[in-house]
Amino acid sequence: GAVVSQHPSWVICKSGTSVKIECRSLDFQATTMFWYRQFPKQSLMLMATSNEGSKATYEQGVEKDKFLINHASLTLSTLTVTSAHPEDSSFYICSARDRGVGNTIYFGEGSWLTVV
Amino acid sequence: QKEVEQNSGPLSVPEGAIASLNCTYSDRGSQSFFWYRQYSGKSPELIMFIYSNGDKEDGRFTAQLNKASQYVSLLIRDSQPSDSATYLCAVRDGTGGFKTIFGAGTRLFVKA
Repeated sequence: GAVVSQHPSWVICKSGTSVKIECRSLDFQATTMFWYRQFPKQSLMLMATSNEGSKATYEQGVEKDKFLINHASLTLSTLTVTSAHPEDSSFYICSARDRGVGNTIYFGEGSWLTVV
Repeated sequence: QKEVEQNSGPLSVPEGAIASLNCTYSDRGSQSFFWYRQYSGKSPELIMFIYSNGDKEDGRFTAQLNKASQYVSLLIRDSQPSDSATYLCAVRDGTGGFKTIFGAGTRLFVKA
């Protein structure tokens, strides 16, 4: 089946630095990818919709200047957490839409971010 | 604000029993409905999707959809301890943007 890969799986960074997370669709082209954040024992919260070749659409309350999203190709979207703070520590998950399979959405493995 | 509601549980069932998970949603325009399973510390994995009213069966899993009542359910037959996880109900909005909203999830424990 379709595979969506995220990298890195785990990252620890110092407060004030920036971290980039990659999301790749490995065997299909994804014109739309989604970025979610999940705090422990809470549900996935949609942060933004990433569209290939255009600006991302951010959900209400999500700072677009802090969470930079780039979707430069049909198989890659990146999320950069800028000037990270400990409260940004979370599980970040991407998903990608496969147009060829009834628009089914597949999730990446997720990336654990810890800001110290 | 579009919402997807689930009972957080935990729902505890004995091995071999039927587990019934329920979900309601607020957006009447929603067209696609999904059930995901999420193990602790892992990303969600798709179990089933359903688009039409009625039942859809896949192995031990049956999804049920009632758009008039804005209600989706998942039945797990012959529950196994390995089914113990959090089950997320997800609803794709009807705007064509493929945005998917998730419920908070129901924790299921299957006792051996």
